[in-house]
Amino acid sequence: SAVISQKPSRDICQRGTSLTIQCQVDSQVTMMFWYRQQPGQSLTLIATANQGSEATYESGFVIDKFPISRPNLTFSTLTVSNMSPEDSSIYLCSVGTGGAYNEQFFGPGTRLTVL
Amino acid sequence: KNQVEQSPQSLIILEGKNCTLQCNYTVSPFSNLRWYKQDTGRGPVSLTIMTFSENTKSNGRYTATLDADTKQSSLHITASQLSDSASYICVVSGQGAAGNKLTFGGGTRVLVKP
Repeated sequence: SAVISQKPSRDICQRGTSLTIQCQVDSQVTMMFWYRQQPGQSLTLIATANQGSEATYESGFVIDKFPISRPNLTFSTLTVSNMSPEDSSIYLCSVGTGGAYNEQFFGPGTRLTVL
Repeated sequence: KNQVEQSPQSLIILEGKNCTLQCNYTVSPFSNLRWYKQDTGRGPVSLTIMTFSENTKSNGRYTATLDADTKQSSLHITASQLSDSASYICVVSGQGAAGNKLTFGGGTRVLVKP
């Protein structure tokens, strides 16, 4: 299994500002993903973070709003830009380990509140 | 459209009792089905993963079943403990390039009372 840490664990931000969330993994992984979990909802995939190239975004999510960096195989960042109260969610990083089950492990999440 | 439906949405059980959560899916082609436990304010933690050829798998007091023919799965919690209070999420993975795309159920929120 992979050990994943996220920073910050939580933050309260003012609307119109931006927040960058960091995800660090204790081993090199091929696949890294960013998810959003709105209050009382299940997880929604935002994008796949690709090492050395632009992230692959899911329908409804755009790079201008959620820019992602993946400089190496153990680290990624997600920025939530020009925030509004609707962006208040938990943001989770996950990693795919491949193998027979192609398992995904999730980070602890970043709880974001936008006022 | 790939979908995962879970029932019930929530349930309350007394400590020491058993309970069963249900999951129906329409994901195709199917690769595997996972059950995750998510404590409040934490990321999901994997409990079990099953491919189409596995019809039961246990992890301590958690036992998952899978019927790939009817596209149904269940998660049985035996002798529940207060620490079992959490959301339980059924997640299905497709095959090939879609294997990294997970379809999430809405979760079942379990509350164990003393």
